[in-house]
Amino acid sequence: EDKVVQSPLSLVVHEGDTVTLNCSYEVTNFRSLLWYKQEKKAPTFLFMLTSSGIEKKSGRLSSILDKKELFSILNITATQTGDSAIYLCAVRRAGSYQLTFGKGTKLSVIP
Amino acid sequence: DVKVTQSSRYLVKRTGEKVFLECVQDMDHENMFWYRQDPGLGLRLIYFSYDVKMKEKGDIPEGYSVSREKKERFSLILESASTNQTSMYLCASSFGAKDSYNEQFFGPGTRLTVL
Repeated sequence: EDKVVQSPLSLVVHEGDTVTLNCSYEVTNFRSLLWYKQEKKAPTFLFMLTSSGIEKKSGRLSSILDKKELFSILNITATQTGDSAIYLCAVRRAGSYQLTFGKGTKLSVIP
Repeated sequence: DVKVTQSSRYLVKRTGEKVFLECVQDMDHENMFWYRQDPGLGLRLIYFSYDVKMKEKGDIPEGYSVSREKKERFSLILESASTNQTSMYLCASSFGAKDSYNEQFFGPGTRLTVL
């Protein structure tokens, strides 16, 4: 059974701080790892990672995958109140349509 | 932009009622998914469909069924709603075959309360 563990489960930071969210996984025949941001409505896609050591970056957000140690991190620099959300990590195995999600990290950014 | 819409944002039903949750996507995606999201449990897959009239069970199919008569529409059916089915229900869609590198696009969710 595939497994995704995110940590911490919740986090409160001040605006301007840098945060690191963690995602470790166990999956047979790994295909890809995805990060989503969920505010009040639909989760929105952030990154897909398939190869170790290649950083994906979008503005203040970046993510990297370590396939040897089976984890990924999502970094957010210079946090803003608009970054407050639940961040979801999911993995996909080869030959599958399904994603297996972690429980999410709830990030709260206070002014 | 991909748009996934769900028929209701909030729904209140009584125990034993038959409940239909509808999901429509406008990007001609082959694959559609139904999840439920509960505090402390994350997103769990109920059912998915990779083609019209095709369906497969996810991790928690008990108490649910699905219907996909048209490519753009995927319905989740609670045959006899129970209080433990009170949850947020999220629909998603994606394109491509099993081994494609494609993300899922999510709808806004339906918060169902069963009294």
